[in-house]
Amino acid sequence: AQTVTQSQPEMSVQEAETVTLSCTYDTSENNYYLFWYKQPPSRQMILVIRQEAYKQQNATENRFSVNFQKAAKSFSLKISDSQLGDTAMYFCAFVHSGTYKYIFGTGTRLKVLA
Amino acid sequence: KAGVTQTPRYLIKTRGQQVTLSCSPISGHRSVSWYQQTPGQGLQFLFEYFSETQRNKGNFPGRFSGRQFSNSRSEMNVSTLELGDSALYLCASSLAQGGGTEAFFGQGTRLTVV
Repeated sequence: AQTVTQSQPEMSVQEAETVTLSCTYDTSENNYYLFWYKQPPSRQMILVIRQEAYKQQNATENRFSVNFQKAAKSFSLKISDSQLGDTAMYFCAFVHSGTYKYIFGTGTRLKVLA
Repeated sequence: KAGVTQTPRYLIKTRGQQVTLSCSPISGHRSVSWYQQTPGQGLQFLFEYFSETQRNKGNFPGRFSGRQFSNSRSEMNVSTLELGDSALYLCASSLAQGGGTEAFFGQGTRLTVV
């Protein structure tokens, strides 16, 4: 069975600092995608970044980047220059190619401090 | 371009009743998936539909059912409601069939069973 583990229930970071959120997953599949979604208090899930498993290059989106270690099945999210608007729940998710059956981690609640 | 619309936003029902939740995907999107979010269980996959066909179903009892119409709008129904069905129900839509493209989430329907 596929599982996603986020071992940090809560984290905090000072504004303008850098923070890394951890995620590990378990699958026997070869073709899959990994995502980080953000859920602010408004409850709207917003895509932060995605990574194709077949790509070795780590994905980057502005201040957000990932460290994808396929062999270790690790997919961490780095947020640089943290902003107050980054305060939210962050979910790591796995999806097998060919389906939209997302497997989510339990989430990390991130608080950015002024 | 309008986002994913879920109605109603909030719902209070009594144990034993049934409920229908609606999801209108982004125009042109043919894939719709549903998730249940609770503090205890996190985000769990319910169903996935593509072109009116259920492609995947999560590990939920038969009281949970869904369907998709020819215009891609989707509904999910929960019969004989239990207190444990209280949750945020999220719908997501995607353009393509398959997990690689982004899933866009609605703001959810908050169901409270009393």
